[in-house]
Amino acid sequence: DIQMTQSPSSLSASVGDRVTITCRASQGISNDLAWFQQKPGKAPKSLIFAAFSLQSGVPSKFSGGGSGTDFTLTISSLQPEDFATYYCQQYNGYPLTFGGGTKVEIK
Amino acid sequence: EVELVESGGGLVQPGGSLRLSCAASGFTFSSHAMTWVRQAPGKGLEWVSTASGSGISTYYADSVKGRFTISRDNSKNTLYLQMNSLRAEDTAVYYCRRGSGSYQWGQGTLVIVSS
Repeated sequence: DIQMTQSPSSLSASVGDRVTITCRASQGISNDLAWFQQKPGKAPKSLIFAAFSLQSGVPSKFSGGGSGTDFTLTISSLQPEDFATYYCQQYNGYPLTFGGGTKVEIK
Repeated sequence: EVELVESGGGLVQPGGSLRLSCAASGFTFSSHAMTWVRQAPGKGLEWVSTASGSGISTYYADSVKGRFTISRDNSKNTLYLQMNSLRAEDTAVYYCRRGSGSYQWGQGTLVIVSS
């Protein structure tokens, strides 16, 4: 199975900060990686697929990067609505696997 | 607009069964792989099962293999998850999801396994 390791598991940041979350795969997954945002009590929302392609309707302050085993999700200027938990997931092979999540909190 | 509406969740005793449904609309259902993802209370996301667009190919997490069965009725635009021999650790919100990479999510249905 492909293990997905996210870091950090949590972070505190201020409105306007640039934030980067990292996701590392235990083996190469090409660019078969998606990112999701989840707010408490809500369903996950898809942000990015194919490592860097923005889902329709997602603001351009979100960007993804990387290929192979190392990936990033960057929020260019954190806004109050961005405080949430973020997950990565590989879809290169079954079983599909998620990272453990990164909780972004207000400093 | 893509819409996915899950139903069928509820309280069930350990060892019991439950069938979840996901009604899809707004897209050509048979053209897309469909997936169930779950989230235990306070925990992260866990992939459960995927069915190909035709339903011929199915995939399962080891944690549910042999107990859960994914199926779909493309004439009814509906995805199912038959859950048997339920355990306390199956307690979770179950989400229906469309796609392979570019995903759309339903709102989820809560399953509680408890005596």
